[in-house]
Amino acid sequence: GQQVMQIPQYQHVQEGEDFTTYCNSSTTLSNIQWYKQRPGGHPVFLIQLVKSGEVKKQKRLTFQFGEAKKNSSLHITATQTTDVGTYFCAGPLDDYKLSFGAGTTVTVRA
Amino acid sequence: KAGVTQTPRYLIKTRGQQVTLSCSPISGHRSVSWYQQTPGQGLQFLFEYFSETQRNKGNFPGRFSGRQFSNSRSEMNVSTLELGDSALYLCASSWDRSTGELFFGEGSRLTVL
Repeated sequence: GQQVMQIPQYQHVQEGEDFTTYCNSSTTLSNIQWYKQRPGGHPVFLIQLVKSGEVKKQKRLTFQFGEAKKNSSLHITATQTTDVGTYFCAGPLDDYKLSFGAGTTVTVRA
Repeated sequence: KAGVTQTPRYLIKTRGQQVTLSCSPISGHRSVSWYQQTPGQGLQFLFEYFSETQRNKGNFPGRFSGRQFSNSRSEMNVSTLELGDSALYLCASSWDRSTGELFFGEGSRLTVL
């Protein structure tokens, strides 16, 4: 069935290094959203991408929406301990349902 | 403005019991969605309500039900609890479409013994 897939499931990063998490959908999405959930917390909205090929930056975070609107990526540069948490992508697979990827859990080695 | 409020935050039940969870959305938000979060399954969509109408439902058994009141507050109920129902239940609100930016509450953590 229709779903949103995300890799990798876990990302162990040395502080200061960069990493990327990827999101793929089996169908074309009208938009893709990214959320961050800190340990013990709840998901918090980071950004929404709508246009084909769109790239948005938030400080050290760069979000990209693929040309076919079926994939997206989140790239974090110079990882800090504050980046610890689980990053979810989410896309609307029908009108009233947002489907979340399994998430990438990020740990940082100081 | 106040965020999404979920009550209770923590609860422990035994198998066979039922539970009701409550969610108060951000003022002015009319869409309320419910998600179940478990370590193995991630965030699974339960259902979404808008103006007291269920607009979509996830792949959960009929033991999971919900409703929305005229003030947009929502409740979900799980009957005949099973061990596998242990999870963090998250409520999220949005202004209109549940496929736009979602504002999540802190969740209700249910443990079934």
